[in-house]
Amino acid sequence: DAGVIQSPRHEVTEMGQEVTLRCKPISGHDYLFWYRQTMMRGLELLIYFNNNVPIDDSGMPEDRFSAKMPNASFSTLKIQPSEPRDSAVYFCASSLEVDHLTNTEAFFGQGTRLTVV
Amino acid sequence: AQKITQTQPGMFVQEKEAVTLDCTYDTSDPSYGLFWYKQPSSGEMIFLIYQGSYDQQNATEGRYSLNFQKARKSANLVISASQLGDSAMYFCAMNGGSTLGRLYFGRGTQLTVWP
Repeated sequence: DAGVIQSPRHEVTEMGQEVTLRCKPISGHDYLFWYRQTMMRGLELLIYFNNNVPIDDSGMPEDRFSAKMPNASFSTLKIQPSEPRDSAVYFCASSLEVDHLTNTEAFFGQGTRLTVV
Repeated sequence: AQKITQTQPGMFVQEKEAVTLDCTYDTSDPSYGLFWYKQPSSGEMIFLIYQGSYDQQNATEGRYSLNFQKARKSANLVISASQLGDSAMYFCAMNGGSTLGRLYFGRGTQLTVWP
């Protein structure tokens, strides 16, 4: 398996533009997560899906952010309009069904480094 | 809610020596999982080791071991025989309770291994 695949790896955009980040999870994984990493706030969960259904989007900073998972093999995170403070590394991760008693580590993609100028 | 604390922003260790990276957590849930991830300068997040709250034995994976002290709510990572390639940021994380699916991360510890 190729692991979690994210695209693009780097994105530079102007303030006000729409940005779409893409993620292909590991086949067969039930959970998909979007994280954001910044120096100031560290790693923070934005939203996660279980079987393509959004479960918790309380980490989405504001209405400018939206995420979709139209099928089990694809998810997008969209920022519209983008702002300089959105500059960060955005990670997508996937995992199998989470269970209290078993190891269900999340596998991370390579991340997308977003710069909004 | 779960909370992870890593109090060491940076650690230094000489090659071939052992090093302990500290992690404490806070949760009221009886069932949870503890994870360590490594993030080298290239940026990817690499899973290292897992400890379940009900596991009686400390987890080990090659040169990595997790010193799990449940009563103290600590889950320290021990790296034995450090190598130059171990230089990276290390994150402690946990899940559990009603939010099994999400991981809560600490702020990380930057480990530098010197020759």
